[in-house]
Amino acid sequence: SQKIEQNSEALNIQEGKTATLTCNYTNYSPAYLQWYRQDPGRGPVFLLLIRENEKEKRKERLKVTFDTTLKQSLFHITASQPADSATYLCALDPFTGRRALTFGSGTRLQVQP
Amino acid sequence: NAGVTQTPKFQVLKTGQSMTLQCAQDMNHNSMYWYRQDPGMGLRLIYYSASEGTTDKGEVPNGYNVSRLNKREFSLRLESAAPSQTSVYFCASSEGQGAATNEKLFFGSGTQLSVL
Repeated sequence: SQKIEQNSEALNIQEGKTATLTCNYTNYSPAYLQWYRQDPGRGPVFLLLIRENEKEKRKERLKVTFDTTLKQSLFHITASQPADSATYLCALDPFTGRRALTFGSGTRLQVQP
Repeated sequence: NAGVTQTPKFQVLKTGQSMTLQCAQDMNHNSMYWYRQDPGMGLRLIYYSASEGTTDKGEVPNGYNVSRLNKREFSLRLESAAPSQTSVYFCASSEGQGAATNEKLFFGSGTQLSVL
């Protein structure tokens, strides 16, 4: 089955800098990979989906890359703001024969003003 | 639109008690899910329903049962609660049938459950 690794240590950056979060997976490369944002006490909220044949996808200040050779996705937030502080989760196909997304444990981002 | 609504928001149970977590969505979605979230372990899938009338086990189904009551509602039941079931429970939905992993999930705000 698929295993997803996200850095469990919080990422602290200064406002205005670019935040880069990593999602590594083992075994099979998924056809799709998704990123979600989760604020304390709330459910995750969908941000972006990237397909295996897309190297990069952008939405406003967000950019996601997908490297099937390295089995890695990078999530970038440019010109970061304190309001970007949250936990970011990646999710993909579990490849267990069972449907439905499997999630990483997330990386907490803290943007300092 | 309320999206995905979960009740209750908080619950404390004693070991051995039973309860049902309720979930309803108003987006006319076909697939629905129950996840639990524990510190350091991320979201783990308990059960899902790929269409009205069907349910399937996820990664951690033991100790739980589900009912897809209709297209809108998907409930999670703990028959005999155990301290290991202390967690935050999230219900989610997606538009298409089949629980496809290329569809985005819409989550409720969660139920915080403590089993003493």
